[in-house]
Amino acid sequence: GEDVEQSLFLSVREGDSSVINCTYTDSSSTYLYWYKQEPGAGLQLLTYIFSNMDMKQDQRLTVLLNKKDKHLSLRIADTQTGDSAIYFCAESIRDTGTASKLTFGTGTRLQVTL
Amino acid sequence: DTGVSQDPRHKITKRGQNVTFRCDPISEHNRLYWYRQTLGQGPEFLTYFQNEAQLEKSRLLSDRFSAERPKGSFSTLEIQRTEQGDSAMYLCASSFTTSPKGNIQYFGAGTRLSVL
Repeated sequence: GEDVEQSLFLSVREGDSSVINCTYTDSSSTYLYWYKQEPGAGLQLLTYIFSNMDMKQDQRLTVLLNKKDKHLSLRIADTQTGDSAIYFCAESIRDTGTASKLTFGTGTRLQVTL
Repeated sequence: DTGVSQDPRHKITKRGQNVTFRCDPISEHNRLYWYRQTLGQGPEFLTYFQNEAQLEKSRLLSDRFSAERPKGSFSTLEIQRTEQGDSAMYLCASSFTTSPKGNIQYFGAGTRLSVL
């Protein structure tokens, strides 16, 4: 089945690193994504990782994937107040040759304090 | 590239009324998706189109919901006889299937529906 889990809340101080965790249960997931949602807004794609990769770095963002444990994490270095938002991990599954729908976690609310 | 556009941003309606939302995808994106997001939850898949063909519908999409993409460009989502449980954010996304980056879906700002 498809079930993506995230912790609900994370609070960090400005300048510290944030680590947001996600677990998924479908081993056939091919791509895993991180989206950011600010209040009242849609979802902004932050980064993604293909299932045959262990790590991906993109400026302040680092994604780590542990396929054995079905664990995905997003690290934000030097967290800023503008990073305060809800972060969703999502997976897509390649079936019949094409990936279709995304399955999202419940989201982690990141609060950045001064 | 102006991104995915949704209209209206907010809709307030009375129970029993019909509502229609519009989504304009990123130009040349051949896939278009509809998701629903309730408060405190992640988005849930409703349906998607490849060009004008509707290829998959979720069990969440009751017979009061209908979606169209008549010319393979913009799409509409109609809810008939709205119920209070339909109150949610309706998100549209689009993607380009032949992208080497896989099924990267780009989202619009959403339409927030409130059913009174």
